[in-house]
Amino acid sequence: DAGVIQSPRHEVTEMGQEVTLRCKPISGHNSLFWYRQTMMRGLELLIYFNNNVPIDDSGMPEDRFSAKMPNASFSTLKIQPSEPRDSAVYFCASSPGNSPLHFGNGTRLTVT
Amino acid sequence: GNSVTQMEGPVTLSEEAFLTINCTYTATGYPSLFWYVQYPGEGLQLLLKATKADDKGSNKGFEATYRKETTSFHLEKGSVQVSDSAVYFCAPVPGGGNKLTFGTGTQLKVEL
Repeated sequence: DAGVIQSPRHEVTEMGQEVTLRCKPISGHNSLFWYRQTMMRGLELLIYFNNNVPIDDSGMPEDRFSAKMPNASFSTLKIQPSEPRDSAVYFCASSPGNSPLHFGNGTRLTVT
Repeated sequence: GNSVTQMEGPVTLSEEAFLTINCTYTATGYPSLFWYVQYPGEGLQLLLKATKADDKGSNKGFEATYRKETTSFHLEKGSVQVSDSAVYFCAPVPGGGNKLTFGTGTQLKVEL
């Protein structure tokens, strides 16, 4: 099992540019989570999906953030336009229902 | 909603010292309790869990006991190693669910 796969590992972009982060969950896992990690706020849940349907997006900071899950094996988190305060490590995690989460290795985003 | 309070880090110990990382939580209903560990440059990994009051979770020499009366789930290890240096996260999950609430984590540094 390859685990949760995130791409890219690192992303550096300029303020105002669109950023797309990608996630491939573990096959058979029906829940998918996007988290953001910063020194100041720790690990924050942005949004999670069950069976490809967004269940709770209350953690999405503002309209510049959007997430999609077009099928069971792929999800994206998009920031448009990006701002320096969006710099963080973004984690994707998946779970087979009522079981512990499996995390990817994250995408480190730097917005200059 | 759920919340968690962990002791402030970093915690710096010498190898073979005894470790305690305090965790208290607030949660609705009867949550399951988890400790996750994050090694440098990686995503979070499940360390141990407990699903009901008085359960003890254990793994890799780490232990934590679910104390409902004090709403605590303190992490302990009798003899830490340099390889235990990481950030540790306590997280409650509502009963029957899988939405974890993380705090800022506690960084542990173990020195020779």
